[in-house]
Amino acid sequence: DTAVSQTPKYLVTQMGNDKSIKCEQNLGHDTMYWYKQDSKKFLKIMFSYNNKELIINETVPNRFSPKSPDKAHLNLHINSLELGDSAVYFCASSQQGQGLDEQFFGPGTRLTVL
Amino acid sequence: LAKTTQPISMDSYEGQEVNITCSHNNIATNDYITWYQQFPSQGPRFIIQGYKTKVTNEVASLFNPADRKSSTLSLPRVSLSDTAVYYCLVGDWDTDKLIFGTGTRLQVFP
Repeated sequence: DTAVSQTPKYLVTQMGNDKSIKCEQNLGHDTMYWYKQDSKKFLKIMFSYNNKELIINETVPNRFSPKSPDKAHLNLHINSLELGDSAVYFCASSQQGQGLDEQFFGPGTRLTVL
Repeated sequence: LAKTTQPISMDSYEGQEVNITCSHNNIATNDYITWYQQFPSQGPRFIIQGYKTKVTNEVASLFNPADRKSSTLSLPRVSLSDTAVYYCLVGDWDTDKLIFGTGTRLQVFP
């Protein structure tokens, strides 16, 4: 039983395209996150959602938009993809927010923009 | 934006104790310090979390001085399977954001 799942695992696309990455958690958690891990392995928070409300909006380009249809899902939409968007994107969830408790991470989505 | 820094890499041998430090001089007052382990091609995995002084669980200990501007993850008697990248995670006082440390690549040799 996968706790936090992401699809797709790999995503290769051209510059300028629009793409989405899906995330689902079956842990019943109230908070979900998106992180970006660059080629140097630095992890940076992008967004978090708590009960469908955006509570952290990191300084990411507005081409990135999180969409949460319900508490168990937080999808990431990316418009007009750029070369610099190439990275691994991780979804995570936790019961509380703001690093107060353990976060459970998905397996990651490796995005390559050509 | 405050930086949360860690040594880039560390080497150890099986059976030794390893201590990995994280400097976070701008930690938010009420935030916990959390450590994660990451293997290649996987998401980070929770190791331990603490606020002040010392916390110990079945896999690690976490030492936080009173000023909380740094923390030390202690792995007792490491094995080959502990070879991974270790990250600290803290809250930043100025931005109220969660900040991951720069990561420490631990290599354990036989």
